[in-house]
Amino acid sequence: KAGVTQTPRYLIKTRGQQVTLSCSPISGHRSVSWYQQTPGQGLQFLFEYFSETQRNKGNFPGRFSGRQFSNSRSEMNVSTLELGDSALYLCASSLYGGRPNEQFFGPGTRLTVL
Amino acid sequence: TQLLEQSPQFLSIQEGENLTVYCNSSSVFSSLQWYRQEPGEGPVLLVTVVTGGEVKKLKRLTFQFGDARKDSSLHITAAQPGDTGLYLCAGARAGGTSYGKLTFGQGTILTVHP
Repeated sequence: KAGVTQTPRYLIKTRGQQVTLSCSPISGHRSVSWYQQTPGQGLQFLFEYFSETQRNKGNFPGRFSGRQFSNSRSEMNVSTLELGDSALYLCASSLYGGRPNEQFFGPGTRLTVL
Repeated sequence: TQLLEQSPQFLSIQEGENLTVYCNSSSVFSSLQWYRQEPGEGPVLLVTVVTGGEVKKLKRLTFQFGDARKDSSLHITAAQPGDTGLYLCAGARAGGTSYGKLTFGQGTILTVHP
C-alpha cells in the first residue's frame, strides 16, 4: 500500500502571499489531519477532516484553512503569509480519526517564508 | 504548559548502552503512540498502546503504558547507531472531541555513537 504523499516537498514564498499544500492519504483512510512542526513549538495540530467535513480544529488563526475532497485527498491553505509561518507542514491519515487514533504521516512540505 | 512532558530532551550515548525515554501527563489518554522522525521527513509510527499497563515489544524497543493511562515509557536495549533520531510520544486525550488530534511531546533527540 502506498503511504501518505504530500506535494510539494519544498516551497519558498514571500510575506503576504498565499500557499496551498496538498495531501493524498493512504488508500481507504478517510481521516486527514494537518500539523505544523517548528523547532520552538514542536508539532501542533491544525485541523482534521473526515468525509469532507472539518471535525476538529487547533488554535491557529483563520489564515489557516483546509478542505477535503470526496476521494479523501486534502488541501490546506495559508493566506497572507507571515515569517512565523515557516515550518514543516505534516499531513497524517487514519482510518476514521477515532480511537485508537493511529495516524500515519507523510514526508511533509517544508515552507520557507521570506 | 505542555500537555505531554517528554524527558530527557537530549540523549547522547555509546553503542550498546540502554536508555529510557519518559512521557508524562496529568491528563488521561485513550491511546498513546510513539514515533521516530529523521531530519526532513515525517514521523514514522513505532507503536500504539491503548490499555493501561500494556507492554509492547518491538525487537530491542519496549513500550509501556501507565496503569492510569497518563504516562508512557520507551526503553531501548543495546542501542545502535541506527537508533539515532527524534523520538516523539503523542496521545489522543480521553473524552471530548479529539477526532484526528494527537497531542505531541517536545521530543527526545537520541544520538548513538559507534
